[in-house]
Amino acid sequence: GAGVSQSPSNKVTEKGKDVELRCDPISGHTALYWYRQSLGQGLEFLIYFQGNSAPDKSGLPSDRFSAERTGGSVSTLTIQRTQQEDSAVYLCASSLGFGAGGTFGSGTRLTVV
Amino acid sequence: GEDVEQSLFLSVREGDSSVINCTYTDSSSTYLYWYKQEPGAGLQLLTYIFSNMDMKQDQRLTVLLNKKDKHLSLRIADTQTGDSAIYFCAEIPNYGQNFVFGPGTRLSVLP
Repeated sequence: GAGVSQSPSNKVTEKGKDVELRCDPISGHTALYWYRQSLGQGLEFLIYFQGNSAPDKSGLPSDRFSAERTGGSVSTLTIQRTQQEDSAVYLCASSLGFGAGGTFGSGTRLTVV
Repeated sequence: GEDVEQSLFLSVREGDSSVINCTYTDSSSTYLYWYKQEPGAGLQLLTYIFSNMDMKQDQRLTVLLNKKDKHLSLRIADTQTGDSAIYFCAEIPNYGQNFVFGPGTRLSVLP
C-alpha cells in the first residue's frame, strides 16, 4: 500500500485480556519498528525487525509483550494479560533499511479498562 | 546512555520564523531526523541530515547541525497555523538500529 497501515485504530479491552495489534508496512521495506507513546510521554522504543528477525528486543517492557513478523511483511504485537499501564498509542514504522527515515502508521490507541 | 533533549513548548506568531532546538548525546550518530506529529496522527518525516553535513534546506525548512556541540535545530520560515504540531528530533545511535526520539516540542502558532 501507499503507507503503513495499522489495525485496529482503536481498541478498548478489559484488564487481563490479551490483545493483538497489527502493522502492515510499506511493501519492500525491510526494517520495521514498534514504538509506544503514552499520554504526556515521549516515544518509547519496543522492538525492531530486520526482515523476519528481531535483532533488538531490548525495549519490550515485560514478558507479557511479544512481537513477530512473517514473510518480511506484516507484524503483530501481542500483549498478554493487559494492565492499565499498557494504555497508550502503539505506533509502527517501516523503512528501507538502516539510515532511511521511517514512515509511521497512524497508530493503535489501546485503552485498558 | 542515549538521551535526546528538546524544549517542550514554543509559541510564535504567524509569519514569524520558528526555531526548534535539540541536543543529542551520541556523537557517532550518522543520521539525525525531524518528525512532525499532528493531533491524532502518526509521525511524519519532515527531513533528515547526514552527520557530515552542516546544513540542509528544503523549502521553508532549514536544518542546522553542530556536531561539536551535538546540537540540531529546525528552522521553519514564515510559520503558518498549519505548522502547529509536535516536532520530534531523533537520532539513530551508532551502536543501535532503532530511532531514539526526543520528548517533542509543541509548536503553537498564534494568529
